[in-house]
Amino acid sequence: ETGVTQSPTHLIKTRGQQVTLRCSSQSGHNTVSWYQQALGQGPQFIFQYYREEENGRGNFPPRFSGLQFPNYSSELNVNALELDDSALYLCASREELGSGETQYFGPGTRLLVL
Amino acid sequence: AQSVTQLDSQVPVFEEAPVELRCNYSSSVSVYLFWYVQYPNQGLQLLLKYLSGSTLVKGINGFEAEFNKSQTSFHLRKPSVHISDTAEYFCAVTFTGTASKLTFGTGTRLQVTL
Repeated sequence: ETGVTQSPTHLIKTRGQQVTLRCSSQSGHNTVSWYQQALGQGPQFIFQYYREEENGRGNFPPRFSGLQFPNYSSELNVNALELDDSALYLCASREELGSGETQYFGPGTRLLVL
Repeated sequence: AQSVTQLDSQVPVFEEAPVELRCNYSSSVSVYLFWYVQYPNQGLQLLLKYLSGSTLVKGINGFEAEFNKSQTSFHLRKPSVHISDTAEYFCAVTFTGTASKLTFGTGTRLQVTL
């Protein structure tokens, strides 16, 4: 139990639609990162937010966007969904930006794009 | 380019036997190293991490790992596995100057049988 929750657990969308995934971090965790895990692969870094500002981005197009709120919740938004967006989306939180800090992962949201 | 390689996609082992899961990384800068475990339909749980100091790191559930800078490796070991250790194991690193993002390997499926 990491104290990080995500909703929904599963989601089915069709190509071209938009989706919002939600994450609730532990209280006091100012940093949240989002990862995409395709089937049979390791998680890939999408982006990271620190105190409500984007602070680092991986190789994902701008249709992947996010928000972080003062109440330690955050969102991942994906526009114009493509079939290859089907994956498990994980959020991870930690107190500060330090590279050595443990990141606590949520259980993930499994997105299927048809 | 900085990368993480997990040499074995699957490792079958009998219960109570020892196991080693291999991880190598490529980097020209300092790194922090992590091992995460993922049970079916769950998020990632930290097993152990290496930041500095002793190169032998002990983690949860009887796992340990050894950092070898000259061989750029961080192999995970357990002297006697249990059926409940069946899961996917991911090696991950953070590199300095990368906004603390985790770069994961492709994972090793540990299958423990009687």
